[in-house]
Amino acid sequence: DGGITQSPKYLFRKEGQNVTLSCEQNLNHDAMYWYRQDPGQGLRLIYYSQIVNDFQKGDIAEGYSVSREKKESFPLTVTSAQKNPTAFYLCASSYSAGHYGYTFGSGTRLTVV
Amino acid sequence: AQSVSQHNHHVILSEAASLELGCNYSYGGTVNLFWYVQYPGQHLQLLLKYFSGDPLVKGIKGFEAEFIKSKFSFNLRKPSVQWSDTAEYFCAVNAGDKIIFGKGTRLHILP
Repeated sequence: DGGITQSPKYLFRKEGQNVTLSCEQNLNHDAMYWYRQDPGQGLRLIYYSQIVNDFQKGDIAEGYSVSREKKESFPLTVTSAQKNPTAFYLCASSYSAGHYGYTFGSGTRLTVV
Repeated sequence: AQSVSQHNHHVILSEAASLELGCNYSYGGTVNLFWYVQYPGQHLQLLLKYFSGDPLVKGIKGFEAEFIKSKFSFNLRKPSVQWSDTAEYFCAVNAGDKIIFGKGTRLHILP
């Protein structure tokens, strides 16, 4: 079945450590996105990529980094510079820059301990 | 600035009640509009979408939404809710090369 796989489902990190969240899709979608979901704040865009080897900052990119070396993969690194990293992270993909809606992964819950 | 505003953060209804969740957006270009739903413990899924044509669109599970261009609104409706509709609902607009989401409305249906 085609879809988006995010791993791991739960992740714990010590303060000061970088951590990378995985996102893989087999839908042949061109565009991929990372959102952060916090209670009462909806989904806020971190980074997005419309083609391989290219990506753009979203509304809350500070403290995060991404790469897009393959069409299928769009990993997100949460760096130690992110002041409040505990959150639920969602990856999504779409044809044509989201014009027709997204397919979402099941998310990764990151907790800083 | 582009934005999506959902009128209610938390709605509580009894089964069989009618539902209307408000959504307004701010974007100057041509819009594609969406409602997504997130059931407890599940990932976000598309409920319905509007691209063009008939402003009244029907989605899954008996939901519908009406696009009113003059009011920049895309309200979600359901004539009779069920306990299984308990979820969080997100209105969203495709603004250029990305989708902007509202802050969500938590819907709680009492059995």
